[in-house]
Amino acid sequence: QKEVEQNSGPLSVPEGAIASLNCTYSDRGSQSFFWYRQYSGKSPELIMFIYSNGDKEDGRFTAQLNKASQYVSLLIRDSQPSDSATYLCAVNMDYGGSQGNLIFGKGTKLSVKP
Amino acid sequence: DGGITQSPKYLFRKEGQNVTLSCEQNLNHDAMYWYRQDPGQGLRLIYYSQIVNDFQKGDIAEGYSVSREKKESFPLTVTSAQKNPTAFYLCAINGRFGGYTFGSGTRLTVV
Repeated sequence: QKEVEQNSGPLSVPEGAIASLNCTYSDRGSQSFFWYRQYSGKSPELIMFIYSNGDKEDGRFTAQLNKASQYVSLLIRDSQPSDSATYLCAVNMDYGGSQGNLIFGKGTKLSVKP
Repeated sequence: DGGITQSPKYLFRKEGQNVTLSCEQNLNHDAMYWYRQDPGQGLRLIYYSQIVNDFQKGDIAEGYSVSREKKESFPLTVTSAQKNPTAFYLCAINGRFGGYTFGSGTRLTVV
């Protein structure tokens, strides 16, 4: 059974701090990794994806991947109250393609306090 | 929602009743997916379809049925056999970079 694990939180950080969200996955064959943000009552939206080991930065977001440790993380710099949401980690066996099903973690709830 | 539309936004089901959730897309994507989300449970795959007239069961297909008669449409029926249908239902298509693009969701409640 392929599994994706996340701490459910809530993770509480003060405004302006760095929020660090973590995810581990069980299948070593996993190829692509995604972070979704989900506001309460809304559907998930894709905010980051990463395929290769190392860091990938996009604005205030940095995704980090370590395939040897089967670990992927999301860092949010200068956290804002508007970042308060649930963050879902998802993993796909397929490398950036259109096939394959995503396996989702249960999500980490982030709360950014003003 | 990037060309994927779910309706209705809210749906109420009486005991023993079948209800159908609509998912339509205008992006010419082959693959479509249905997920169920419960509080604290994450997203669980119900059914998926990679091509017209073909679909596969996901992890929690019992009590659900689907059809894929047109490429644009992938409706989900929640049957009376589904004993605990109250949940948030999400339809998805393959988006860019291998991830999914989700519809806005349907919140189903048993009354």
